[in-house]
Amino acid sequence: RKEVEQDPGPFNVPEGATVAFNCTYSNSASQSFFWYRQDCRKEPKLLMSVYSSGNEDGRFTAQLNRASQYISLLIRDSKLSDSATYLCVVNTGGFKTIFGAGTRLFVKA
Amino acid sequence: NAGVTQTPKFQVLKTGQSMTLQCAQDMNHEYMSWYRQDPGMGLRLIHYSVGAGITDQGEVPNGYNVSRSTTEDFPLRLLSAAPSQTSVYFCAAGIQSSNSPLHFGNGTRLTVT
Repeated sequence: RKEVEQDPGPFNVPEGATVAFNCTYSNSASQSFFWYRQDCRKEPKLLMSVYSSGNEDGRFTAQLNRASQYISLLIRDSKLSDSATYLCVVNTGGFKTIFGAGTRLFVKA
Repeated sequence: NAGVTQTPKFQVLKTGQSMTLQCAQDMNHEYMSWYRQDPGMGLRLIHYSVGAGITDQGEVPNGYNVSRSTTEDFPLRLLSAAPSQTSVYFCAAGIQSSNSPLHFGNGTRLTVT
């Protein structure tokens, strides 16, 4: 079983749609959680950290459920520019940062 | 501010050749790491370093060597390239905190024929 698992997609949604991505992790001792965005043939870039109480950054909302070892990312009012691959990232401590394989999103006009 | 700089951007090697992928950061971050990214596999950790003179293995270290003589530089060496090492390689740097994100270089696309 992979340490961090994501639905690879792709998710094809129209502009303005709401889309949600899920991620599960296997190590219950994981300490910190992030969502990164990766555009085609580019390096990953931090989208947002994920906090236990849930957090929001504009159209993006991230949630963490430690009991179920589950992370989610919700994108509201999708834009064409949101088309990318979204990587779920878990830090298990000891500088071990594990990346999920990513979920591809295509937003269409 | 350059952040994390990787060179070269592209490289083609023949099986058995050796080469070094360069990574430099100007953020004075203690932590640096190398990942490879393959289709459907996500990023996999090759080696990492928590400071000058300290390195450790990640998930897929075989076939790669690293050293960290300075805070700024963290080169990745392929001693005898194999086709299985065809991949995109990313170097990353961060501060020593599990709550802090990583900053990535632009990547090196390596093809081994």
